[in-house]
Amino acid sequence: GENVEQHPSTLSVQEGDSAVIKCTYSDSASNYFPWYKQELGKRPQLIIDIRSNVGEKKDQRIAVTLNKTAKHFSLHITETQPEDSAVYFCAANDPDSNYQLIWGAGTKLIIKP
Amino acid sequence: SQTIHQWPATLVQPVGSPLSLECTVEGTSNPNLYWYRQAAGRGLQLLFYSVGIGQISSEVPQNLSASRPQDRQFILSSKKLLLSDSGFYLCACQTGGRTEAFFGQGTRLTVV
Repeated sequence: GENVEQHPSTLSVQEGDSAVIKCTYSDSASNYFPWYKQELGKRPQLIIDIRSNVGEKKDQRIAVTLNKTAKHFSLHITETQPEDSAVYFCAANDPDSNYQLIWGAGTKLIIKP
Repeated sequence: SQTIHQWPATLVQPVGSPLSLECTVEGTSNPNLYWYRQAAGRGLQLLFYSVGIGQISSEVPQNLSASRPQDRQFILSSKKLLLSDSGFYLCACQTGGRTEAFFGQGTRLTVV
């Protein structure tokens, strides 16, 4: 079955700098890759997703890139702000069941003032 | 888009007591429904999912159970809570495996 690994587990960056979080997946048949942001004590919420027919997608300061050959995808946040501090989860669809998302372990992003 | 109603927001229960958490969905029909648990500072652990009324798949063997009595209602239960059942429980909804997952507000359960 699908397996998703996420790195780093914690990332600390200076406000205004960029942050990059990387995930790898194991099943080349996966074709949907979302990213969720979870603020402390709150529910996870989708911030951006990408499907396997595109290599990059951008939404203002957030972008996701997908490398199908290497089976990895990354979240890029530019011009980081204090409100970007949160835990970020990547996921990939499970092509075997088509019912599940397989989640990464999460990255705690800390924005230093 | 879908709206997930989940309650209560917080719950403190003694060891050995029963549990019932309810989740209802608005804005869609025949959704896939999920129960996740999240330990403090940890990731999302899938407990159960359901693709239709009465259809429950369990991912982790434990003393919890789930039921789906109606299309847009998903219930998480336990007959006797353990200390290890403490955590943040999240109900989620998707219309398919390759679509956005919408989460309820979560229930923070503390077993004492």
